[in-house]
Amino acid sequence: SQQGEEDPQALSIQEGENATMNCSYKTSINNLQWYRQNSGRGLVHLILIRSNEREKHSGRLRVTLDTSKKSSSLLITASRAADTASYFCATDRGTGGFKTIFGAGTRLFVKA
Amino acid sequence: DTEVTQTPKHLVMGMTNKKSLKCEQHMGHRAMYWYKQKAKKPPELMFVYSYEKLSINESVPSRFSPECPNSSLLNLHLHALQPEDSALYLCASSHPGLAGGSSYNEQFFGPGTRLTVL
Repeated sequence: SQQGEEDPQALSIQEGENATMNCSYKTSINNLQWYRQNSGRGLVHLILIRSNEREKHSGRLRVTLDTSKKSSSLLITASRAADTASYFCATDRGTGGFKTIFGAGTRLFVKA
Repeated sequence: DTEVTQTPKHLVMGMTNKKSLKCEQHMGHRAMYWYKQKAKKPPELMFVYSYEKLSINESVPSRFSPECPNSSLLNLHLHALQPEDSALYLCASSHPGLAGGSSYNEQFFGPGTRLTVL
């Protein structure tokens, strides 16, 4: 079963607006990470939040983690056209090594 | 050097061909990964190497054969593939984390190899 489910599947906003993406997962985790992927290219790591953290910031990114609800959100503030990409959450299982499972992803389109 | 390189960038092969994908990193990472990604889908983990030993094989068909000849290199040998194996193949590396995998670090991804099987 897929570990990470994300919504929305696609999001279209104007430059300068904020974009919020959500991720839910099913099993216990050590950490949750967010990655960005520009069309057909490799993934770029954005931010990692550990299971004992609730919120983390990095530049225009804000990530929250609610382990009781098994969910996380990624907020991109003051979006730019260059933020247009697919965004994936990724979790590793609580035990058994670093098996990474990616969510379905949110495709973000920022209109200039 | 924080780069993961993958060769070739594009590969077209027939179902009877044998080919190899290569991945290289010089960040001192001791965990390396192969992922398969179909269009508009998330990456799916195929294999994980930790300290040059295969630690995870996600029930991948034997027509895919990984190899980790040293701590910097990761290969994926392909033989008798099917058209449905056409996809973007991504390599990644990371620090392996604590013993038993109880910690986890960010993965650095290569640009991928776009594979087409005819």
